[in-house]
Amino acid sequence: NAGVTQTPKFRVLKTGQSMTLLCAQDMNHEYMYWYRQDPGMGLRLIHYSVGEGTTAKGEVPDGYNVSRLKKQNFLLGLESAAPSQTSVYFCASSYQGLVNNEQFFGPGTRLTVL
Amino acid sequence: GQQLNQSPQSMFIQEGEDVSMNCTSSSIFNTWLWYKQDPGEGPVLLIALYKAGELTSNGRLTAQFGITRKDSFLNISASIPSDVGIYFCAGFRKPSNTGKLIFGQGTTLQVKP
Repeated sequence: NAGVTQTPKFRVLKTGQSMTLLCAQDMNHEYMYWYRQDPGMGLRLIHYSVGEGTTAKGEVPDGYNVSRLKKQNFLLGLESAAPSQTSVYFCASSYQGLVNNEQFFGPGTRLTVL
Repeated sequence: GQQLNQSPQSMFIQEGEDVSMNCTSSSIFNTWLWYKQDPGEGPVLLIALYKAGELTSNGRLTAQFGITRKDSFLNISASIPSDVGIYFCAGFRKPSNTGKLIFGQGTTLQVKP
């Protein structure tokens, strides 16, 4: 099993450009999450999904959109990138969240917005 | 959003030394998780704790779920250079239909050979 994978690994954007980050998991997990990690800020939740076709806002959702069309995939979109979105983005998934709530993380996408 | 109080923020130790770090909260948690993040990688789950007072080991790592359910501790014995990284605690509170975790800010560990 590959676990949680993320593409791309690195990306440089100019202000105003758009892009989509892809997260895929092969563990049949119901729950998926997108975090951003900035120096001194820890992990902050952007959006999450509790199942196919559902999404919800996390702690820092502004400037991002997400979609969960298939259970195994969770997409994070930046419609108009800003320098403040320069960060490392992590995707995570968990089985159900009611009892066994261990989240498993992908390797991250390092995004720079110029 | 709410975060756990994790300390220390950073540690610089000599190879072979033991390390202790902890997480505290004003709220009760039902699960405590400890993750390690290697430089340039994603967090990897080290230990999961589900019961107050529980003591669990994973090799040289030992973690405990505090009796009050408001704290957790991680100890690393006889540190080695590959222990370098950021260690995160995370707490989970029931009831929950989202599985969301609350994270500490992380403890950055550096080991001098």
